[in-house]
Amino acid sequence: GIQVEQSPPDLILQEGANSTLRCNFSDSVNNLQWFHQNPWGQLINLFYIPSGTKQNGRLSATTVATERYSLLYISSSQTTDSGVYFCAVRDLTGGGNKLTFGTGTQLKVEL
Amino acid sequence: KAGVTQTPRYLIKTRGQQVTLSCSPISGHRSVSWYQQTPGQGLQFLFEYFSETQRNKGNFPGRFSGRQFSNSRSEMNVSTLELGDSALYLCASSLTGTVQETQYFGPGTRLLVL
Repeated sequence: GIQVEQSPPDLILQEGANSTLRCNFSDSVNNLQWFHQNPWGQLINLFYIPSGTKQNGRLSATTVATERYSLLYISSSQTTDSGVYFCAVRDLTGGGNKLTFGTGTQLKVEL
Repeated sequence: KAGVTQTPRYLIKTRGQQVTLSCSPISGHRSVSWYQQTPGQGLQFLFEYFSETQRNKGNFPGRFSGRQFSNSRSEMNVSTLELGDSALYLCASSLTGTVQETQYFGPGTRLLVL
């Protein structure tokens, strides 16, 4: 099956700093989502972005499907941005609605 | 519109028991998927239901089963619980589960098996 790798695995930032999280996938995909998992475990949708670029406030994401990677940018980070960020993909061969998740990037934003 | 809801939120069971978890999708959503999250294995797909039929299944033993009702609510059952079943179980819903759809996740059920 498709492999999804995220980097870096851990990231510590000072409040106000910018960061870039990366998601690499091993095969063509038709669906890619970025999630933020809060400390209570809930996965919060950030972006549905199988290709192209999207922005939502301080967050933006870019997926280059032909090169099999996606980037999540966080600008002017805040302590509330702390948590784990996951990318998840659905490959072209998979049936149904199965998402394959990366291992996540654990982000901690400090004052 | 209310989000995906899951009950119960927390559960403690002992080995050998069985457990049933419930998921109510967003109103109008007909596809419901279940995922297991553990520190060692990460987030793994369990199964997906659409129109009361299991449409896709992950690589889990037969002790894990599920069903979907006519109102799209779904339940998953784990029989003969093992310590390794301790995990966060997440449910997700989407309209029909087609390619271009976003999946929305519930808050999860934390299961601890003693």
